Amino acid sequence: DAKTTQPPSMDCAEGRAANLPCNHSTISGNEYVYWYRQIHSQGPQYIIHGLKNNETNEMASLIITEDRKSSTLILPHATLRDTAVYYCIVRVATGGYQKVTFGIGTKLQVIP
Amino acid sequence: GAVVSQHPSRVICKSGTSVKIECRSLDFQATTMFWYRQFPKQSLMLMATSNEGSKATYEQGVEKDKFLINHASLTLSTLTVTSAHPEDSSFYICSATQTGGKGGELFFGEGSRLTVL
Repeated sequence: DAKTTQPPSMDCAEGRAANLPCNHSTISGNEYVYWYRQIHSQGPQYIIHGLKNNETNEMASLIITEDRKSSTLILPHATLRDTAVYYCIVRVATGGYQKVTFGIGTKLQVIP
Repeated sequence: GAVVSQHPSRVICKSGTSVKIECRSLDFQATTMFWYRQFPKQSLMLMATSNEGSKATYEQGVEKDKFLINHASLTLSTLTVTSAHPEDSSFYICSATQTGGKGGELFFGEGSRLTVL
């Protein structure tokens, strides 16, 4: 079973910030929060990951609450190409053997 | 970043035939690869975990004799759908974790769409 819960869908106006929430209340101390997105008929694309500190890269920012039970992915200026399903997962960063299960994700629709 | 490539990207086959899908890590070694299946408008469903040099670990409800997984090297894993039927039509996706180095990221292939007639 997936260890995260996300809203099934969200809309965002083009050019505005998209804030996608994720709950992971059972996260373990050594598990990271990862975000991926999937554009129709493609494999998931890595976006960002973090342990407890906020992270930022060229694609997005990741805000993790102090208790690590939830996080928010922020796309600062959403474009139409950001329309996709966004998945939040938790896993350990080392030891590639850990299997990863996906929840339903959040379908983000960026509106012109 | 690291690249995982799948081949073929699309395949159409007749019912009863077998189809092989390859998953390659192009610029890194992957001790472990994962195979997922995705039906329309649904999330990715983990089918099995593939470990180099050993037997794959299948998820509950996935028939190991129907979905044969071979992970013969650190850069290649294959999924063979044997005696395919129309209900096996789906989007199959593999992923791999980089061995050593920075670690952490899980890379996905582009997916392979199987249509069984």
